[in-house]
Amino acid sequence: QVQLVQSGAEVKKPGASVKVSCKASGYTFSNSYIHWVRQAPGQGLEWMGWINPNSGSTKFTQKFQGRVTMTRDTTITTAYMELNRLQADDTAVYYCARGPEWDFDYWGQGTLVTVSS
Amino acid sequence: QSALTQPASVSGSPGQSITISCSGNIADVGGHNPVSWYQQYPGKAPKVIIYEVSRRPSGVSNRFSGSKSGNTASLTISGLQAEDEADYYCCAYVAFTTNWVFGGGTRLTVV
Repeated sequence: QVQLVQSGAEVKKPGASVKVSCKASGYTFSNSYIHWVRQAPGQGLEWMGWINPNSGSTKFTQKFQGRVTMTRDTTITTAYMELNRLQADDTAVYYCARGPEWDFDYWGQGTLVTVSS
Repeated sequence: QSALTQPASVSGSPGQSITISCSGNIADVGGHNPVSWYQQYPGKAPKVIIYEVSRRPSGVSNRFSGSKSGNTASLTISGLQAEDEADYYCCAYVAFTTNWVFGGGTRLTVV
């Protein structure tokens, strides 16, 4: 069965970076994009960007340009999202989701990133 | 890219039907762009319940249906049940950008 398993919760200080992993299993990793979506406490879902695991190409929403890096390691079928220069309003649950075409059909369990001094 | 517009909350009684709207523009909800809907319980990851405007994934109740007219997509839940109480989000692919955008979310209360 398809599974996306994310790394554990993180606590970071303002200005630091965080790297969240998303381990995929149960399907051919290179066949579907991995998207990253975040949700601030009590707020809605915010699409951040995607990575094509096959080519490594990426696309981010303009809000995160220059601050986010998405990578993958095909040998261990894992995608990564690194966010730099963290601020308090980056406190959120970060989700990875599989995007076979136009929707997100499987989601990771979420990773809480807390930014606090 | 602005978030799609959804009502903040809707409510209904068991057995009733409700509809949640999702408004955008020609570049996202409108045109031939695919729209999907997600159900989210507190503390849980979202789950897709409608994709490509009106298609239901396997295992999703046929009480959930989706449609689109112009720049507005809609999610209808018929025969409301207590277990339908959750947050619902629409999402659309944005043409010519390879970006996606979510709606602000709608809290459904079954009273």
